[in-house]
Amino acid sequence: EDKVVQSPLSLVVHEGDTVTLNCSYEVTNFRSLLWYKQEKKAPTFLFMLTSSGIEKKSGRLSSILDKKELFSILNITATQTGDSAVYLCAVEADGKTSYDKVIFGPGTSLSVIP
Amino acid sequence: NAGVTQTPKFRVLKTGQSMTLLCAQDMNHEYMYWYRQDPGMGLRLIHYSVGEGTTAKGEVPDGYNVSRLKKQNFLLGLESAAPSQTSVYFCASSYSLGTFSYEQYFGPGTRLTVT
Repeated sequence: EDKVVQSPLSLVVHEGDTVTLNCSYEVTNFRSLLWYKQEKKAPTFLFMLTSSGIEKKSGRLSSILDKKELFSILNITATQTGDSAVYLCAVEADGKTSYDKVIFGPGTSLSVIP
Repeated sequence: NAGVTQTPKFRVLKTGQSMTLLCAQDMNHEYMYWYRQDPGMGLRLIHYSVGEGTTAKGEVPDGYNVSRLKKQNFLLGLESAAPSQTSVYFCASSYSLGTFSYEQYFGPGTRLTVT
């Protein structure tokens, strides 16, 4: 059965700390892995990763994919209270029939305290 | 651009009642999705659509129906609501190139309670 696992499920850090969030997956016919940030309402897109070893960066956030070991990490450096959110990992895969499958992990809840 | 909008934002139903959730996007995206989000379960795909007039089942389709009569709209229907359908429902859309879809843009969500 296809699945996406995230760890840790929750994390509390102090401002200025660096955090690493993990996402591992088991899917058939992997296409891409996506990271989203969800604050109070709708998830917002952070990164899409399709190739191994190529780091994507946006400000203090970065992410990398390892397709051999089937995982991705999301790094946040110099955390700020505004980084407090649930971080969702999603994997897109070719479905068994004609449709694609999108599988979300349970999310990592990050709390950054001053 | 409004992006992805959902109506209503909140709704309380009694068991057995029916309702339709409306999702609209103004980004000319081909793909549209309906998810439900429950505590500790993450987002689970209910149904999705790869284009006008086309719909398909996701991971948890039972008890729901959908329609995509216009490209910009994706409707989610509950014919006979059950307490197990109490959840937050998110609609999303994405640009596609052939069969490859890009990141999803989410609506603000609809909080549904079934008593």
